[in-house]
Amino acid sequence: AQSVSQHNHHVILSEAASLELGCNYSYGGTVNLFWYVQYPGQHLQLLLKYFSGDPLVKGIKGFEAEFIKSKFSFNLRKPSVQWSDTAEYFCAVERDRDDKIIFGKGTRLHILP
Amino acid sequence: EAQVTQNPRYLITVTGKKLTVTCSQNMNHEYMSWYRQDPGLGLRQIYYSMNVEVTDKGDVPEGYKVSRKEKRNFPLILESPSPNQTSLYFCASSLGGGPLHFGNGTRLTVT
Repeated sequence: AQSVSQHNHHVILSEAASLELGCNYSYGGTVNLFWYVQYPGQHLQLLLKYFSGDPLVKGIKGFEAEFIKSKFSFNLRKPSVQWSDTAEYFCAVERDRDDKIIFGKGTRLHILP
Repeated sequence: EAQVTQNPRYLITVTGKKLTVTCSQNMNHEYMSWYRQDPGLGLRQIYYSMNVEVTDKGDVPEGYKVSRKEKRNFPLILESPSPNQTSLYFCASSLGGGPLHFGNGTRLTVT
């Protein structure tokens, strides 16, 4: 079965540290890729998405992600995190053949002030 | 203001009592979808719809029904709720290519 793996379940960083959250998927066909953020008690918000073209995509709030097709990966990065980045982050993959979406289980990010 | 509106926000019900969670969007989006969020499991897609009268099963459709009679509305129906459907539910919409706008969620408890 297709799956999306987020390797880090819980990440704790200090402010100004660099962030990289891993996301790998197991699906050989064409995909669209997404990262979402969920602040405590809120709904999900789209951070960025990749459909085609430049594999390095920039999103909101200073986040970026790189699609590496050979590694089936779409890791999320931010050079310098802020306390306000404390949230849960979800990677998602949409299969092109049927538009079905599969989410990873999420990574809780806690930024220490 | 672009909005996806879900109702109710909180719902407590008993096993077997049919319920409907409504979802409405004001952006003329073609794509709408439902998810459930459970601790440690992330979000799992229940159903999605690419347009009016077009619906498809997601990963966990068992025990749920949907309908898409109008573009703006995509209700989620639980004909006979069971305790394992206790969860946080989100509706989402977009023009296509993944969910863009999410509703505020419906926390359902089935006793």
